[in-house]
Amino acid sequence: GNSVTQMEGPVTLSEEAFLTINCTYTATGYPSLFWYVQYPGEGLQLLLKATKADDKGSNKGFEATYRKETTSFHLEKGSVQVSDSAVYFCALSGRRQGAQKLVFGQGTRLTINP
Amino acid sequence: DVKVTQSSRYLVKRTGEKVFLECVQDMDHENMFWYRQDPGLGLRLIYFSYDVKMKEKGDIPEGYSVSREKKERFSLILESASTNQTSMYLCASSGGQWDYEQYFGPGTRLTVT
Repeated sequence: GNSVTQMEGPVTLSEEAFLTINCTYTATGYPSLFWYVQYPGEGLQLLLKATKADDKGSNKGFEATYRKETTSFHLEKGSVQVSDSAVYFCALSGRRQGAQKLVFGQGTRLTINP
Repeated sequence: DVKVTQSSRYLVKRTGEKVFLECVQDMDHENMFWYRQDPGLGLRLIYFSYDVKMKEKGDIPEGYSVSREKKERFSLILESASTNQTSMYLCASSGGQWDYEQYFGPGTRLTVT
């Protein structure tokens, strides 16, 4: 079945550091890939997505590229801020008609220190 | 602004009680989902619904049931709460047949004592 594996957390960085959170997946067919973010006390919200190989999703300075050859969708940001402290989830969705189930990774807690 | 609301942010119940968690969305979405979130396990799908009165089991449906009598409302029911159901419960919705983005509510932290 489909599965997502994220790098273990927690991750602690200083402000303005470069961020990478690794995500690899196993799936049949050609899934869509997502990064969701959960700020303290809130539900998840979509950060970015990519629906086909070599697509790059980007938002709020974050980027991730859909790499079919390495089955990866790593999240990157060039210069993190304290406000980026949150839990980040990588997820995939099978591409078929109808209700789309998301399969999530275990989440990576990110803390940015001033 | 899209909105998914959940009836309670925090809930404490006793073992054996029947528990109702309510979720309402105002986006006229067809699809609604219930997840539980546990540390180190990410989000796991309990049930989802793709239309009024229609439902499908997710990955961990045991001990849970759901009800969707109206399009905007999706309820999760714990028939007899147990301590291993202590968790954060998240509701989500998504739109049409090719709309993959899910919109999440703020979550209900349920403690069963």
